[in-house]
Formats: sequence, C-alpha cells, structure tokens
Amino acid sequence: QSVLTQPPSVSGAPGQRVTISCTGSSSNIGAGYDVHWYQQLPGTAPKLLIYGNNNRPSGVPDRFSGSKSGTSASLAITGLQAEDEADYYCQSYDSSLRGSVFGGGTRLTVL
Amino acid sequence: EVQVVQSGAEVKKPGESLKISCKGSRYSFTSYWIGWVRQMPGKGLEWMGIIYLGDSDTRYRPSFQGQVTISADKSINTAYLQWSSLKASDTAMYYCARVVMTTAGQYYFDYWGQGTLVTVSS
Repeated sequence: QSVLTQPPSVSGAPGQRVTISCTGSSSNIGAGYDVHWYQQLPGTAPKLLIYGNNNRPSGVPDRFSGSKSGTSASLAITGLQAEDEADYYCQSYDSSLRGSVFGGGTRLTVL
Repeated sequence: EVQVVQSGAEVKKPGESLKISCKGSRYSFTSYWIGWVRQMPGKGLEWMGIIYLGDSDTRYRPSFQGQVTISADKSINTAYLQWSSLKASDTAMYYCARVVMTTAGQYYFDYWGQGTLVTVSS
C-alpha cells in the first residue's frame, strides 16, 4: 500500500487529453510539500518529468503539465502520442516517514 | 551532460553478501546527495535512502535501516548499496539517482542510473 494513491491505469486515444491523479494526506502533499512526476518507459529507468509541482526540466514537451491543490496533485498530458505509453509515478516528501514517498504508479495506455 | 552509471546485474545465493555501485560524472559529485530506489518485479518505486557525498551523511527509510548499508567514496565519485546477507525477497531492480534538495528537507531525483538487477536464488 503506497503512501500516495494513484489510479492503476488510464487510457486515451491519440491526440486526446488524459490526467493522472495523486492523492496524499496531511503529512505529505497536504502539508504543502512539493509533488514531482516521473515517466518510466517499458524496460527503462524512470525519468524526471515534472518537478516542484509544475516545472518541466529542459527537453520535456509542454504537452506535460502538473498541478497541486490541497492533498492532491495531477499530471495532465495533452495531444496524447503513442510514445507516451508508460508508467507514471508521483513523488513527494512525508514528514512522518522523514523521507521520500512515491505513488503506486499509473500505467498509461494509448489506444 | 550529467551521467549516473551503475554496476552490472548480479546473481547471488541467499546468505551471500553484495555491494553494488553508482558512479556520477560531469557534475560536482560532492555537492549533491545520491538516492537509492528499489523496484521489485512488476511493482512500483520505493525510496530506500540517500547519502550526501560531501560528508557521507546518510538517511534511511525505516524499513531498510539495518537491512542495507549505503556508503560512498568521494575520491572516485561513487556511491554504494550493500547487503551482508541477501534474501530471496531482495530480488529487485535497484536504481540510484542524483538528488536535488529544495526547501525544508524536500528533494527530487533528476538524473537516474540505468538500474542494477539483483537476483537472489538458491
């Protein structure tokens, strides 16, 4: 059971918009800690996608965006492409654990 | 560009010891922390611990404290993850990643190694 809760799967057709939610609690996201997102393509290492709730590292397309409100955060992907098919993970800091926590991951399928 | 390169896959028997490595390059190694993340077969990511390469200050996830040892040798820009007695349940992919510290002890992982697959089987 992950500290941060994500839907196991989402799907969308090419060109569509999908969102992935990440729900935490008062000891992590709700405490005001930042949320970060990672993309893990099949058989590869995770890659930083969004940091500090809504910032994209250099090279990440602006089709990817992040937001945070209350005890939850969301990753939005617009103009869905076949190469976006991957697992997506949210991450934050937890004051009870005094360390990093990840969501359980969401598998995105492009139909 | 920043590079983080891990040692190769390992196959071990239960009870054996193991030390895997993570080498950083093309950045000021001793100015950053390195984190270790476990991914068990078919499962998600789990933070294990972090180490500051400047003075080897180390922080563990409670469930990994005493189960593994995280260390570093700053003279060769390398961090390590070590087991003294492996169990079959240690079978997993282990990733190291450079840590970017932000405010109030928060951090994220910006550059990841390729992963080291550890298989423990009799």
